[in-house]
Amino acid sequence: DAGITQSPRHKVTETGTPVTLRCHQTENHRYMYWYRQDPGHGLRLIHYSYGVKDTDKGEVSDGYSVSRSKTEDFLLTLESATSSQTSVYFCATGPRIQETQYFGPGTRLLVL
Amino acid sequence: GENVEQHPSTLSVQEGDSAVIKCTYSDSASNYFPWYKQELGKRPQLIIDIRSNVGEKKDQRIAVTLNKTAKHFSLHITETQPEDSAVYFCAASMRSEKLTFGTGTRLTIIP
Repeated sequence: DAGITQSPRHKVTETGTPVTLRCHQTENHRYMYWYRQDPGHGLRLIHYSYGVKDTDKGEVSDGYSVSRSKTEDFLLTLESATSSQTSVYFCATGPRIQETQYFGPGTRLLVL
Repeated sequence: GENVEQHPSTLSVQEGDSAVIKCTYSDSASNYFPWYKQELGKRPQLIIDIRSNVGEKKDQRIAVTLNKTAKHFSLHITETQPEDSAVYFCAASMRSEKLTFGTGTRLTIIP
């Protein structure tokens, strides 16, 4: 596996609280992505980054924000968590467009 | 935006038989089509990909075919083995950083 880690790996939180998930890579990949995985929906892109401080929205970005201040770190923030954001969140990285995306181990988030 | 449909959602095959998973995409500008495999509790991993200038690509027991006219592509696994049991995702990309994934196929190999 590529050097991609996610923290925390598991989190339980309450509705209305802010939550930040971290993705850290040691591959020096330019592109980083946040996906959520839900039964029946596959992997859906939340936000992605194409360089330090360069980010853009994916198909399910409402309620989420991201930041990338360093090449190696990509943070996903749930501003005010809702039960609909209960999901498994995967970070991925890639060196170039339309090449392999390498996934992190995932973060399982439960919003009560 | 791009829309990718994947069928079937579940598939069971006898060990040694072949498995085929099909995906259709909506935007004719899409030109990159990867397939990812996700074993239970694990992260997705790329197993094969194809670009629009190629009609077929093989890697040992795995092959992918692309029909640009019909806007569909398929994953073929021959001589299936127990370790092929997993969820498989197709995806499509339109000359961009982003991938649009299908909803996944849970493949079960019956010993």
